[in-house]
Order: sequence, then C-alpha cells, then structure tokens
Amino acid sequence: AQSVSQHNHHVILSEAASLELGCNYSYGGTVNLFWYVQYPGQHLQLLLKYFSGDPLVKGIKGFEAEFIKSKFSFNLRKPSVQWSDTAEYFCAVNPNAGNMLTFGGGTRLMVKP
Amino acid sequence: EAQVTQNPRYLITVTGKKLTVTCSQNMNHEYMSWYRQDPGLGLRQIYYSMNVEVTDKGDVPEGYKVSRKEKRNFPLILESPSPNQTSLYFCASTGGSSYNEQFFGPGTRLTVL
Repeated sequence: AQSVSQHNHHVILSEAASLELGCNYSYGGTVNLFWYVQYPGQHLQLLLKYFSGDPLVKGIKGFEAEFIKSKFSFNLRKPSVQWSDTAEYFCAVNPNAGNMLTFGGGTRLMVKP
Repeated sequence: EAQVTQNPRYLITVTGKKLTVTCSQNMNHEYMSWYRQDPGLGLRQIYYSMNVEVTDKGDVPEGYKVSRKEKRNFPLILESPSPNQTSLYFCASTGGSSYNEQFFGPGTRLTVL
C-alpha cells in the first residue's frame, strides 16, 4: 500500500534559521507530490506541488521542495523561517491516474521569535 | 469566491445520535472527498466521490456514510456515532483546471461523548 512518511513530528526553530522537513513515499510509479500547510485553527492550504519537469519546485511564502526520484523523497525547505511560519505541514502523494491523496502524519513547526 | 464550506464547524454530541456534516463547493468540481485528521496520523480519507451518484470507500470508511445527489454537495453521515469518531473532519474538492489539487473546507471539529 502507498504510504507517506514524515520523520520529524515536531520541529522548533528560531527566526531566521533554515528549515528542511523530510517526506518520503513508498509508491513506485509516477506520482504527483504536494505540501500543504495548516495554520493554527485554519484549514489546509496548498504550499506547492510537483507534477513533472524541474524537480525543484518553488511555492508560496518562500518555500521550495526538491523531488528526488531515486530517494522517493520530496523534502520541503525554506532558507529563513519567520514566526508566522508556525504551523503544521503535511506532505501528500497521489498517483497520476487517480485522485486519492495519501497524507503523511504531519510535522508541527514552531518558530520562536 | 471559490470555496468549500462545511457545517457545522463545531459539534458535540452523544454516542448513538445520528448526525450529518454538510459540505458544499461552488467550483463545479467533479471530485469530492472527506478526511479525518487525528494527531500523529495526518489526514486519512474516509470516502470520496468521482461524480454525482458515484461514491467509494477511502482508507477509513467504517462507521460513516456519504451521498452525492448533486454535484455541489457531499454530506458525511454518522448513523451511530461513537467516541472513536471524535476528530477533526475536512471536506475537499478537486476538478477543472486545478485537477489533482484539492481545495479544503474549514473543518468540522466533532466530539462524541
């Protein structure tokens, strides 16, 4: 069965620190990849997505992610976090042909001012 | 404004008392789905619908029902809620030019006593 792993459950950083959140998936075929963010008390919002082409994807709010097919990974990065980035981040995967999204368990990020 | 709406946003009920959570989208999307979000487990899909009158089970369908009589609405029904269904529920829709990107509703926090 397809699965998505986010190894960091909780991350605490100071403002201006660099961020990298790991995401690995188990599906062997062609996949679409997503990162969603959930700010406290709010619904999920799309940060960025990868369908094909350049494996380095840039999203909103200075976030980017790199798809490394050989490692089945899609790690999220930001060079310098802000207090307003405090949120929960979810990686999600779905095969090209379908609409099923499988989510990782989420990573709670706290940025200290 | 393109959006997915859910009602109610918060609900406290007792075991066995039937309830319905409504979901509506105004984007003419074909695909809609329901997720539950639990700490450490991310989002898990309950049911999804490819179009009107077409529904199918997701990863955790037990104890839930859905219907899709109209394209815009996709209610989630708990015929006999139990405490293990206490969770945060999200409705999502996909379609049109943003195919494969899911738009999420604001969430419904359900507590079953």
